[in-house]
Order: sequence, then C-alpha cells, then structure tokens
Amino acid sequence: GQQLNQSPQSMFIQEGEDVSMNCTSSSIFNTWLWYKQDPGEGPVLLIALYKAGELTSNGRLTAQFGITRKDSFLNISASIPSDVGIYFCAGQLFSGGSNYKLTFGKGTLLTVNP
Amino acid sequence: NAGVTQTPKFRVLKTGQSMTLLCAQDMNHEYMYWYRQDPGMGLRLIHYSVGEGTTAKGEVPDGYNVSRLKKQNFLLGLESAAPSQTSVYFCASKAGGFADTQYFGPGTRLTVL
Repeated sequence: GQQLNQSPQSMFIQEGEDVSMNCTSSSIFNTWLWYKQDPGEGPVLLIALYKAGELTSNGRLTAQFGITRKDSFLNISASIPSDVGIYFCAGQLFSGGSNYKLTFGKGTLLTVNP
Repeated sequence: NAGVTQTPKFRVLKTGQSMTLLCAQDMNHEYMYWYRQDPGMGLRLIHYSVGEGTTAKGEVPDGYNVSRLKKQNFLLGLESAAPSQTSVYFCASKAGGFADTQYFGPGTRLTVL
C-alpha cells in the first residue's frame, strides 16, 4: 500500500521561531491535507491542497502541494505556545467510483518553549 | 450542531470481552471512517462506509466488524478483544464531494487487559 514519510518526528523550538515539516510519498496523491491534533482530541484540518504546485496560506501556516504530487510541506511562522501538538500530513487518492481514503503520515510532535 | 461524536470516551476490557463503539454525525455526511491511533504509527484505517448499508475494509480490519444501518451512525465492534487492540479509536465523516474533507470525532481510548 501507499506509505507516507513524515519528517521530522519531533521538534523542540523557542517561541517566535519558524517551523518546517514535510511529507514524501512513494506514489502520487490527488489531495494533500495537513491536520493538527491537540492532546486528548481528534485531528483538526489546517490546510487542504488540491492542485500540484499549489501554495496555500492560513494565517501563520503555509503549505505546498509538490509539483510531482508525491510530497508536501507545512511551514509555521513565528511560533506561539498554542502551536504545540502533533501535526499530521495526509494524502488522498481518488481512485474513481466513490472511494475517498486518506493515508496518514506518522506525525510531527511540536513543542514550543515560551 | 455537534459534528462527530463518539461513545464511550474511555473503556477498559478484559481479553475476550466484546464491545461496540458508537460514532454519530449530524452533518448528513455520506462517508464514515474508523481509525486507530497507536504511538508512533499515525492513524490507520480500520473500516469505512461510503453510504448507509455499505461497509468496506481498510488497512487494518482484522478483529473488527462494522455496521452502518443508519446514515448518521457507524458502529465498530470488537467480538473478542485482544491486548493488541489497546489503542485510541477515531471516527471521521465526510461529505460526498472531491474537495470535502474528513471531520474527526474526539476519540475513544480503549485498554484491553
């Protein structure tokens, strides 16, 4: 099956620093998604990317859909303590019919030191 | 509008016991999914449903059964729980369009002793 390699596994940064994480895949996706999970909660969607090469921002977050459709990155600028959590990338491949399934990366644990 | 809700939030089982996890969504979504989350493994798809009355296997279906008798509910059953099924279980739902994304519930933490 499809596999996503998400890196880094964890990051420990100072408040105000910028953060970058990425995902690579062995095969292509139609959609790339970035989710954040707070402790004890379910993942919440941050950014969705639908087109190769697309660059999308959501406040301090910026994400890009790689031109090869096999990778994506997420940047967080000027980090704040509430950015702490686990960030997941997910790829969706629409294979026709009514088949929408997500493949998730293993997550990046972000810790922000005030 | 509660979104996606899961019942129960926590449960402890003994090996061999059975239980059912309930997922409910009030967004009239067509698609529903059950995932499990283990440390360092991300989320893995157990089973999913593309509409009322339908179910399909995901990446890790063994030991689980599901049913979607009503559009708003998706049940995950463990017939004979094993310690390897200790995990956090998440339900998600999605509308029918290509650009629609999955919305997740708050999770159920299950421990099998």
